[in-house]
Amino acid sequence: DADVTQTPRNRITKTGKRIMLECSQTKGHDRMYWYRQDPGLGLRLIYYSFDVKDINKGEISDGYSVSRQAQAKFSLSLESAIPNQTALYFCATSDSLKRDRVTYNEQFFGPGTRLTVL
Amino acid sequence: DAKTTQPNSMESNEEEPVHLPCNHSTISGTDYIHWYRQLPSQGPEYVIHGLTSNVNNRMASLAIAEDRKSSTLILHRATLRDAAVYYCILRDFGNAGNMLTFGGGTRLMVKP
Repeated sequence: DADVTQTPRNRITKTGKRIMLECSQTKGHDRMYWYRQDPGLGLRLIYYSFDVKDINKGEISDGYSVSRQAQAKFSLSLESAIPNQTALYFCATSDSLKRDRVTYNEQFFGPGTRLTVL
Repeated sequence: DAKTTQPNSMESNEEEPVHLPCNHSTISGTDYIHWYRQLPSQGPEYVIHGLTSNVNNRMASLAIAEDRKSSTLILHRATLRDAAVYYCILRDFGNAGNMLTFGGGTRLMVKP
């Protein structure tokens, strides 16, 4: 079973609709992230959460909101979807343990959700 | 985070070594050099990271210049499955935020 799962994998919606993308992880990590990827470009950070009570905006948070329902679950919402939010969305997780006194934490990514807003 | 510069694309033949370059002339003393790759239709995956010394793991090797202003990811024998976009990313090891800032990466094409 995949360690980081995203639902749905594909979604087509219309302008103005509210959409929720869900992410679940079984890795026991405390940190979770939402990224967006546009065609031919790298990923950009939307929101991140260091634990259930800690939510932070990323580079491109406008038009999005998130909810950390539990350590293992982090959902991304588009309150009123617009066509330029058509993109590939990735969830990622990492732990917060220090190794060798350095905070280095590999991120593990889900398979992505392809969202199309018409 | 300091920026990195990578070629947009590279091509390799199967079973030959591949050297993927990355320039990071503004790297700071506390920046680690990370490589992630993104296979087609998948999320990115970690490849390797290093600070000053060259590093090897089961996936690849990382060669870091003595002045740390550039690095090279080495795939010793490219396979068709290595065709992906490779991202070189700098992260301050003192940064508790653990953010990854992705650039455009290098698209590696592997010919049979």
